[in-house]
Amino acid sequence: ILNVEQSPQSLHVQEGDSTNFTCSFPSSNFYALHWYRWETAKSPEALFVMTLNGDEKKKGRISATLNTKEGYSYLYIKGSQPEDSATYLCAFRNTGNQFYFGTGTSLTVIP
Amino acid sequence: KAGVTQTPRYLIKTRGQQVTLSCSPISGHRSVSWYQQTPGQGLQFLFEYFSETQRNKGNFPGRFSGRQFSNSRSEMNVSTLELGDSALYLCASSLEPGGGYEQYFGPGTRLTVT
Repeated sequence: ILNVEQSPQSLHVQEGDSTNFTCSFPSSNFYALHWYRWETAKSPEALFVMTLNGDEKKKGRISATLNTKEGYSYLYIKGSQPEDSATYLCAFRNTGNQFYFGTGTSLTVIP
Repeated sequence: KAGVTQTPRYLIKTRGQQVTLSCSPISGHRSVSWYQQTPGQGLQFLFEYFSETQRNKGNFPGRFSGRQFSNSRSEMNVSTLELGDSALYLCASSLEPGGGYEQYFGPGTRLTVT
């Protein structure tokens, strides 16, 4: 069983603050890295799928970077808003077609 | 476009029974994956189906099985239920398999085993 680790486990920020989280995954047999946003009582929502080393993706105020050689990805949220409060999950897909999820970073944005 | 649907949404079963859960993907999506979410283990990959074939399977016992139909709808079955099978079961669909495409999740089926 592979370890996909996310840090921090939880985070409280003030509205307007920018923040970032880390996802660490094995650097071998990499195929893809997914980021999801999961609000309570809803389904996980896909944010990004990243497949190439050095990938940078952006969607509104949220962006992500990928370093497959060292096995990490960062998710950034600029100017956090209360509606950004959710759990952010990353998932590592290896070349063996297995998916491994991290345990998530729980973000609370305080108005 | 309608999203991923799962039925039933909630289910209570007794140990030893078997259960079948259903997932209808987004129209045009040919790949369906299943996941189990428990408080202790987080989200874990069960299996992925494409073209009515199981492409890969996570680390789960043989009591967990599934299938995909020609219209891409998928079912998963758990036989001889155990208390530890109580979980939220999520399915997700994507255009193609392989992890290079965004996955769209359904609302889940909450299974309680008593």
